[in-house]
Amino acid sequence: KNEVEQSPQNLTAQEGEFITINCSYSVGISALHWLQQHPGGGIVSLFMLSSGKKKHGRLIATINIQEKHSSLHITASHPRDSAVYICAVTQGAQKLVFGQGTRLTINP
Amino acid sequence: DSGVTQTPKHLITATGQRVTLRCSPRSGDLSVYWYQQSLDQGLQFLIQYYNGEERAKGNILERFSAQQFPDLHSELNLSSLELGDSALYFCASSVGEQQRYGYTFGSGTRLTVV
Repeated sequence: KNEVEQSPQNLTAQEGEFITINCSYSVGISALHWLQQHPGGGIVSLFMLSSGKKKHGRLIATINIQEKHSSLHITASHPRDSAVYICAVTQGAQKLVFGQGTRLTINP
Repeated sequence: DSGVTQTPKHLITATGQRVTLRCSPRSGDLSVYWYQQSLDQGLQFLIQYYNGEERAKGNILERFSAQQFPDLHSELNLSSLELGDSALYFCASSVGEQQRYGYTFGSGTRLTVV
């Protein structure tokens, strides 16, 4: 079993829909990260959080430390949000451990 | 432009060959991390250097090696290449030794072994 599990693996939605991607982890962490990888391959860090909730534009990330679960929400989704979203965790000073990613496709 | 520069962007080579991937960290960053992204394994941490010294090692094969030079750029050397080494190789950089305080990815090098 992977230390970081994401669901769903693939998600297709219509423009404007509210999107939720889930991440569960099985180890103690110092931080949880949400990353975005566009079709061209580049990876961008969206959020780093260790508690509570963060918001950036239409993106919201939440984490529940007790339940070892995080969600990434996208409001008013747009075709340009189409990408692979990757959850990753750091344990103490250790390197990133990644989930398998969620491929999101937003159709116009 | 993230500030982390990786070259080359694409590389096609034959099995058994050796290649070198290069990463220049963002200005001011002392740590460089190397990651491999393959279709079946996803993203995996390979190795980290901080200010010229190896700091952490992940799932890096013995055929692979890396170093960080005094100007802080890093090179990942892949030798005796196999078809399964075909992947995207990313580097990331951070100011300190830990990624939990912030980091930046480069755009990656796509390696194809034929």
